[in-house]
Amino acid sequence: GAVVSQHPSWVICKSGTSVKIECRSLDFQATTMFWYRQFPKQSLMLMATSNEGSKATYEQGVEKDKFLINHASLTLSTLTVTSAHPEDSSFYICSATFLTGGGGYTFGSGTRLTVV
Amino acid sequence: AQSVSQHNHHVILSEAASLELGCNYSYGGTVNLFWYVQYPGQHLQLLLKYFSGDPLVKGIKGFEAEFIKSKFSFNLRKPSVQWSDTAEYFCAVSKHQAGTALIFGKGTTLSVSS
Repeated sequence: GAVVSQHPSWVICKSGTSVKIECRSLDFQATTMFWYRQFPKQSLMLMATSNEGSKATYEQGVEKDKFLINHASLTLSTLTVTSAHPEDSSFYICSATFLTGGGGYTFGSGTRLTVV
Repeated sequence: AQSVSQHNHHVILSEAASLELGCNYSYGGTVNLFWYVQYPGQHLQLLLKYFSGDPLVKGIKGFEAEFIKSKFSFNLRKPSVQWSDTAEYFCAVSKHQAGTALIFGKGTTLSVSS
């Protein structure tokens, strides 16, 4: 239980284009989802917290106009990287909290974004 | 805001050696504590978690961690490591309230030689 599906697994895009990453909770309702960014051999940095039906809360230093987050339903949150640049190349991971089995956090499998 | 410190950046051990990875957090309130492992090219996997109760937590693969509230610490231990334990280890903390994010430490790379 508490499975989160993240798509795509990897994507290559040209500079200036936009890329959408989807995160779906398959067997539970995710009121809150989180988006992280992980650089090679580094830790996960929290980018934003998204709550269903409301605006996302972004961490300091994260450009909300570049990283658009939408959480329109209890099972889907999306991260759109707008006008992507090579420095946006990274590994993006979504996460959600769950309450069953004592509770915790479940993670998507991540999306490797390469901007060329 | 809470933060997490992992003191060991890179630990190198021989098989059968004992392991202890340090983790300290800064937050004055009640917290939930986690250790995750990330094998090369793979996703995060939960090793163990602490929410409340017995401060000594046992996880998968023979790992355990002890929560010492007075020291704001949650160190990870394993009595005898194996080559297959080579991976990146992350300590993470969240506030003990619904809907709060996990904050991760910078991670510790463990290399085990056979």
